Amino acid sequence: DGGITQSPKYLFRKEGQNVTLSCEQNLNHDAMYWYRQDPGQGLRLIYYSQIVNDFQKGDIAEGYSVSREKKESFPLTVTSAQKNPTAFYLCASRIQKDQPQHFGDGTRLSIL
Amino acid sequence: GENVEQHPSTLSVQEGDSAVIKCTYSDSASNYFPWYKQELGKGPQLIIDIRSNVGEKKDQRIAVTLNKTAKHFSLHITETQPEDSAVYFCAAFKAAGNKLTFGGGTRVLVKP
Repeated sequence: DGGITQSPKYLFRKEGQNVTLSCEQNLNHDAMYWYRQDPGQGLRLIYYSQIVNDFQKGDIAEGYSVSREKKESFPLTVTSAQKNPTAFYLCASRIQKDQPQHFGDGTRLSIL
Repeated sequence: GENVEQHPSTLSVQEGDSAVIKCTYSDSASNYFPWYKQELGKGPQLIIDIRSNVGEKKDQRIAVTLNKTAKHFSLHITETQPEDSAVYFCAAFKAAGNKLTFGGGTRVLVKP
C-alpha cells in the first residue's frame, strides 16, 4: 500500500537541541516537500527537493536543514537556530510538476 | 511570487445546504489549482483539482470553477453532510516556480 510516512507523530524538543523529522515515501515520486502549519494558518513551504542530492529553500527555510540522499527519504532537521519551532510539520511528494501533491499525516513538534 | 487569498476563513452551514469557498490568485501563469481537505490531526487530502484549460469540473457533490480572466476559482459543495466538516485549502501551481502556493484555509462546520 503506497503512501507517505512521517515519524514520529509527536516530538518534543529541549532548548538548544536539534531534532530530525522523518519522511519516507514508497510512491516512487521524484519531488518532495516540507511545510510548516501553525494553528489556524495555511501551509508555508520550508524546503523542497526535485531530485536526489538536490534541494531548494522555500519561503521560511531559516533554522531548518534537509538532505535528500535517497529518492524515498527527505528528513527535516529543526535546528536550535529556529527560535519558534512549535508547529505541525507536513511532508508531501509528487511525481511530476503539475500533478497532485500527496501529504503525510504530519509531525507535531513542541518545546519542552 | 504567487499570492493566494481564500475566503471566508470560517463557514457554518446547515446540513443539506451548499457551501462555497472562493480563492483568488495573483500570477496569471499559474495553471493548476488543487483543493485539499484537512481533518483534525491529519495531513491534507486532495479532493478535486482543475487545470487552466478547463472552466469547471465536477465529482459527485463537489465542483470547482475557474475564471482565468478574473484569476479566481471556487469550490462548491452541495448537499453538505456532517462529515464534510473540516478545513479546506485551495492552492495554485505555476510550472516555472515548481511549487504550490496555498490559501489560508477555510474551516467548514456542517451543523446537523
